[in-house]
Amino acid sequence: GESVGLHLPTLSVQEGDNSIINCAYSNSASDYFIWYKQESGKGPQFIIDIRSNMDKRQGQRVTVLLNKTVKHLSLQIAATQPGDSAVYFCAGCSRYSSASKIIFGSGTRLSIRP
Amino acid sequence: DSGVTQTPKHLITATGQRVTLRCSPRSGDLSVYWYQQSLDQGLQFLIQYYNGEERAKGNILERFSAQQFPDLHSELNLSSLELGDSALYFCASSAGTSIEQYFGPGTRLTVT
Repeated sequence: GESVGLHLPTLSVQEGDNSIINCAYSNSASDYFIWYKQESGKGPQFIIDIRSNMDKRQGQRVTVLLNKTVKHLSLQIAATQPGDSAVYFCAGCSRYSSASKIIFGSGTRLSIRP
Repeated sequence: DSGVTQTPKHLITATGQRVTLRCSPRSGDLSVYWYQQSLDQGLQFLIQYYNGEERAKGNILERFSAQQFPDLHSELNLSSLELGDSALYFCASSAGTSIEQYFGPGTRLTVT
């Protein structure tokens, strides 16, 4: 079955620098890949998604890159701020009719050094 | 605030018992999803309902069941509870089949 996993459980970045969080997936069943952010004591929050037939998508201060050849995706956060401290999950989503099934990776905890 | 509400916030119960977790989706959202988050298993999809009907199933145990009511709120029933069921249970909702799901604050279940 589908699985997604993150490369590093933790990542420490200097405030103001760019952060890159990497993720790998096992097969190509997902129609979309999604990044979620989870702050301490809260539920996950949608950041950005990318359709499986795309290579790159940009949002506000975030960019997601998808490399289907090596089954790898990454989330880049520009000019990392203290508010970016959280656990980041990549996820694969399969959709059919009105059904939607998301498989989450294990998460990377991003901490920001002042 | 995502607009999704969950009650109760915390629940402590004993093994063998049954509990019901409640979720109210964002106004207008037809889809409701349930997830379990534990330290060893991570965030796992359990089940999805769309406009009152079950649409997708994940790793949901037979001891667990859910339903979505005509007013679109949903309940997750957990029975014959075991210590390993201790976890955070999240509900999420989306507009139709939108990719973007909005998560509630979660219910922390502790089974003793």
